[in-house]
Amino acid sequence: NAGVMQNPRHLVRRRGQEARLRCSPMKGHSHVYWYRQLPEEGLKFMVYLQKENIIDESGMPKERFSAEFPKEGPSILRIQQVVRGDSAAYFCASSPITGTGGTDTQYFGPGTRLTVL
Amino acid sequence: TQLLEQSPQFLSIQEGENLTVYCNSSSVFSSLQWYRQEPGEGPVLLVTVVTGGEVKKLKRLTFQFGDARKDSSLHITAAQPGDTGLYLCAGGNTPLVFGKGTRLSVIA
Repeated sequence: NAGVMQNPRHLVRRRGQEARLRCSPMKGHSHVYWYRQLPEEGLKFMVYLQKENIIDESGMPKERFSAEFPKEGPSILRIQQVVRGDSAAYFCASSPITGTGGTDTQYFGPGTRLTVL
Repeated sequence: TQLLEQSPQFLSIQEGENLTVYCNSSSVFSSLQWYRQEPGEGPVLLVTVVTGGEVKKLKRLTFQFGDARKDSSLHITAAQPGDTGLYLCAGGNTPLVFGKGTRLSVIA
């Protein structure tokens, strides 16, 4: 049973370009979460999606960032007009349940390391 | 806003020593999870604690959830170089809230 897949593992962009990060959840998981990690920091929640729905985007910057999880295919985190401050590791996690009233076990992918030149 | 404070931030010990790292909050969590993250990789789940006062053992690792479900500790017995990594605790509400982690280095 394959784990959470993310690609690319490393992405280099120049300022002003677009970055597209992909995440395929574990088989049978319909909930996807995106986190950002800066050096020497913990993970910061960005957005929580189910198939075709954004459930919670409270951690997502209001501009330039968007996320989707279509009916078919991977979840995409899109960053438009990247700036140097967007350089970070972006992790995707998936879970089979919402966690409401219970344990929310999330399984993480290996991450995409974005470098903005 | 729920916050998780982890201490110490950095820890460097010799192989064979014991250690304890802490995860504290002023908020109550329905569960707490511990992850280990190695350089260049994503966090890997070690354990989930759910019940106040719960103790779980994973080989040489012992996890405890505080009675009030506001804090947790991770104790490692006879640390080995393979234990080196970033240990993260996370609050089990959705979305997960992470501490900044304890970076452990075990020197052979």
